[in-house]
Amino acid sequence: RKEVEQDPGPFNVPEGATVAFNCTYSNSASQSFFWYRQDCRKEPKLLMSVYSSGNEDGRFTAQLNRASQYISLLIRDSKLSDSATYLCVVNSPSAGGTSYGKLTFGQGTILTVHP
Amino acid sequence: DADVTQTPRNRITKTGKRIMLECSQTKGHDRMYWYRQDPGLGLQLIYYSFDVKDINKGEISDGYSVSRQAQAKFSLSLESAIPNQTALYFCATSDTRYAGGPSNTGELFFGEGSRLTVL
Repeated sequence: RKEVEQDPGPFNVPEGATVAFNCTYSNSASQSFFWYRQDCRKEPKLLMSVYSSGNEDGRFTAQLNRASQYISLLIRDSKLSDSATYLCVVNSPSAGGTSYGKLTFGQGTILTVHP
Repeated sequence: DADVTQTPRNRITKTGKRIMLECSQTKGHDRMYWYRQDPGLGLQLIYYSFDVKDINKGEISDGYSVSRQAQAKFSLSLESAIPNQTALYFCATSDTRYAGGPSNTGELFFGEGSRLTVL
């Protein structure tokens, strides 16, 4: 089982739609969680961190469910500019479990927003 | 100028050749990472370094080696390149000072990537 798994999509939605992505992780000792966005042929960039209580940034809402070991990203009122690959990232213990900082990426979910 | 700089940006080489990809950063971050990206597979961690004397293997370290020459420099080597190492390679940095402690890690800042083709 992969450490971090995402539905690769692609998700193809019209402008204005609401779309949700899920991501599951296998290591229950994982400490922190993030969503990154990657445009075609570009480097990934941080979209938002995911906090235990859930957090919102404009049209984007992230949720964490530690019991079920998944995180989610909800995008409301989709824009054409939201078209990108969304990467789930999990911070897990390194070998020996003595320190953190091993950031593992999911395979990414492709989103295309069309007019 | 970019805060995280990778060289070369593109490289075509032949099987068996030794290749070095270099990464330098001006952000003053303590942690540095090397990832490779293949279509449909996301980013896979090759090696990561918490400081100059602390280097760790990632998910796919076989066939690769790294050197942390200074806090600002982290190079990735392919001793004998093979075609299935054809990929897009990213260097990244993060800073634990703003991450709430050693059990967390801050935002990753990526270089623009190095596209390697092994023929």
